[in-house]
Amino acid sequence: QKEVEQDPGPLSVPEGAIVSLNCTYSNSAFQYFMWYRQYSRKGPELLMYTYSSGNKEDGRFTAQVDKSSKYISLFIRDSQPSDSATYLCAIGGVTSGSRLTFGEGTQLTVNP
Amino acid sequence: KAGVTQTPRYLIKTRGQQVTLSCSPISGHRSVSWYQQTPGQGLQFLFEYFSETQRNKGNFPGRFSGRQFSNSRSEMNVSTLELGDSALYLCASSFLGYQETQYFGPGTRLLVL
Repeated sequence: QKEVEQDPGPLSVPEGAIVSLNCTYSNSAFQYFMWYRQYSRKGPELLMYTYSSGNKEDGRFTAQVDKSSKYISLFIRDSQPSDSATYLCAIGGVTSGSRLTFGEGTQLTVNP
Repeated sequence: KAGVTQTPRYLIKTRGQQVTLSCSPISGHRSVSWYQQTPGQGLQFLFEYFSETQRNKGNFPGRFSGRQFSNSRSEMNVSTLELGDSALYLCASSFLGYQETQYFGPGTRLLVL
């Protein structure tokens, strides 16, 4: 079983839709959670960082963490064609130092 | 502030050769981590360096090695290249490396023929 599971998609939505991206993890030692966006042939770009259960909002993006269920989500409101990319969840923990464990990424396409 | 830079951006090698990739972290950052990204395995952690010392290591064979210099720049080396080493190699930097945001470079795309 992988430590972090993420539905690889692909996911295709119309412009303006609400997008929900999800990951589950198995190790309760994980303590902080990130979402990265990766455009084709580019390095991952950090979108959201959180370390507690609950919601964190930044513009059109909301990250949600439920540590009791080991479940994290990223919601994108009013999605735009420029949001078309691969979204990666990344999780880190006390014993792993800076090491991040990534989901395999969800490929999102927002159609105009 | 300049971002993480990696050189070269693209590289073609043949099996059995060795390769050295370079990463310059964001100014002031002391932690540099390396990741391998492939379509089948996704992003996998290789190792982390902090203040010239390897602090953390992933599950890769000894053919993969790295080092960090006093200015925090880091290099990774892959010896005796195999076809399966074809991948995007990414480095990420952060100030201290623990529970901190990590900033990724654009990556070096390695093709092994």
